[in-house]
Amino acid sequence: GAVVSQHPSRVICKSGTSVKIECRSLDFQATTMFWYRQFPKQSLMLMATSNEGSKATYEQGVEKDKFLINHASLTLSTLTVTSAHPEDSSFYICSANKPGRGHYEQYFGPGTRLTVT
Amino acid sequence: SQELEQSPQSLIVQEGKNLTINCTSSKTLYGLYWYKQKYGEGLIFLMMLQKGGEEKSHEKITAKLDEKKQQSSLHITASQPSHAGIYLCGADFFGHTPLVFGKGTRLSVIA
Repeated sequence: GAVVSQHPSRVICKSGTSVKIECRSLDFQATTMFWYRQFPKQSLMLMATSNEGSKATYEQGVEKDKFLINHASLTLSTLTVTSAHPEDSSFYICSANKPGRGHYEQYFGPGTRLTVT
Repeated sequence: SQELEQSPQSLIVQEGKNLTINCTSSKTLYGLYWYKQKYGEGLIFLMMLQKGGEEKSHEKITAKLDEKKQQSSLHITASQPSHAGIYLCGADFFGHTPLVFGKGTRLSVIA
């Protein structure tokens, strides 16, 4: 299988500060990466689609100015939570599409647990 | 309405027993993914099904996609405590698109 890493795995920050989360595809190039958010005991909710070299596409209800996404290379996408508030505390997971034979397979990172105090 | 329904929501089985988890889509799928997650951790890729009638196996886990490509089942044979966790199905409706996830099935395996 493919490997997708995320950094940091856990982060605690104070309200009003910004936090950057990195998502890397370690053994393949990904033109498209996705960012999901998961609340306790709930399923994953798509936040945005990150495209290498272009602007991210955000899902309805997700503030693009608050959740800044940058996909600067074929192996790295970053999610920056700006002016974080306690309600932004959540588990953030990224995924990357790995091309296969006539299809893509999505591989997920291990997630980042953000706690805003 | 929910595009992807997963059932049951929760399952408790005795070690050694077989079990099945179902995932039903409201429309035809391009692909169907199965993942396992332990709470607060990332997703572990299990299998991806794309062709109608396709069946794949990994160790004691078998997943099938029906001919119409709207329903998938995940079957675990002779369950073990290591199988415990949350199983998520994810639907790719158009190819190369973000997945829509079911609500997950929480599996507990008791001795």
